[in-house]
Amino acid sequence: DADVTQTPRNRITKTGKRIMLECSQTKGHDRMYWYRQDPGLGLRLIYYSFDVKDINKGEISDGYSVSRQAQAKFSLSLESAIPNQTALYFCATSDSGDHTGELFFGEGSRLTVL
Amino acid sequence: DAKTTQPPSMDCAEGRAANLPCNHSTISGNEYVYWYRQIHSQGPQYIIHGLKNNETNEMASLIITEDRKSSTLILPHATLRDTAVYYCIGPEIGTASKLTFGTGTRLQVTL
Repeated sequence: DADVTQTPRNRITKTGKRIMLECSQTKGHDRMYWYRQDPGLGLRLIYYSFDVKDINKGEISDGYSVSRQAQAKFSLSLESAIPNQTALYFCATSDSGDHTGELFFGEGSRLTVL
Repeated sequence: DAKTTQPPSMDCAEGRAANLPCNHSTISGNEYVYWYRQIHSQGPQYIIHGLKNNETNEMASLIITEDRKSSTLILPHATLRDTAVYYCIGPEIGTASKLTFGTGTRLQVTL
């Protein structure tokens, strides 16, 4: 089983719908991240969390919200999806020690908003 | 985070060494340099990181200049499976770090 699991892997939805992407990890890491990737571009940070009570905005948090329900779970919500949120979304985790830059990524969730 | 600059694309013949450069002229003294790669649309994969000294692991070697303003990732014997986008990033260890990726270098390994 994957250490970082994202669900769903693919989702097609309509404009205005609420969408939740879920991420769970078995690595025991404190830090979790949500990234977005658009075709031909790098990854952009949406939100990150350093522990259960910590939520931080990244580069592109507008239109998104997150919830850190437990150490192992970090979900990303689109309250009212719009077409330009069509993208590939990645969840990642990292340790909180000396290797905080060593990220472990999930397999991605491809979201299409019509 | 250190701002990094990488060439958009590179080619390498299979079996030859692939040398991928990264400029990080704004890097601070306690910022590590991390390298990742992304094969097609899979999640990025950690390769290696370093602070001052050169580093080597089973995947690659990392050469960091003495002034730390640039580094080179070396894949000693590139294979077709090394075709990917390679990202160089510079998070600051031990602080609230926004780990941001640029557009990376697309390495194409050819026969």
